[in-house]
Amino acid sequence: AQSVSQHNHHVILSEAASLELGCNYSYGGTVNLFWYVQYPGQHLQLLLKYFSGDPLVKGIKGFEAEFIKSKFSFNLRKPSVQWSDTAEYFCAVPTGSARQLTFGSGTQLTVLP
Amino acid sequence: KAGVTQTPRYLIKTRGQQVTLSCSPISGHRSVSWYQQTPGQGLQFLFEYFSETQRNKGNFPGRFSGRQFSNSRSEMNVSTLELGDSALYLCASSLVPREGTEAFFGQGTRLTVV
Repeated sequence: AQSVSQHNHHVILSEAASLELGCNYSYGGTVNLFWYVQYPGQHLQLLLKYFSGDPLVKGIKGFEAEFIKSKFSFNLRKPSVQWSDTAEYFCAVPTGSARQLTFGSGTQLTVLP
Repeated sequence: KAGVTQTPRYLIKTRGQQVTLSCSPISGHRSVSWYQQTPGQGLQFLFEYFSETQRNKGNFPGRFSGRQFSNSRSEMNVSTLELGDSALYLCASSLVPREGTEAFFGQGTRLTVV
């Protein structure tokens, strides 16, 4: 079964710092990948997704992610974070019959003003 | 349009009781999935419904069950509650249950078992 792992459990940055959150997936075949964000007290929402094609995917709020097949990675990046980016970030992959998502353990990002 | 609506937002139950949680998907969405979120286990898939049929089930005991109605609204039920069932239960809806289709999540129901 496909799985994803996130090794950064808690990341603390100052505003304007650059961000990179790691996500590694386990399956070597066709892969669809997602990044979701959960702001404090809010619902999970999709940041971006990769299906195929251009490995550099741009999402909402200035986030992007690069799919690197040789490294089994799909890291999330943002050149300059803001205090409002404080949230928990989840990498996810469809598994089973592709109608369920398997999530990574999440990375809590704290941005200091 | 309205998002995914989950009711109630908060629940406190006693061990041994049962509970029913409700989810109204986005209008037109026919696939509904349920997830359990805990600090220790993270986000775990419970089950998925499409056209009133359970299509997928995660690795949870039989105390966890669900159903979907003809209007795509879904309920999940947990019987004989245990302390470990305390969690945030999330519902997600999708237009169709196809790989890669974006899942839209509700704000969840926070269940506390005492």
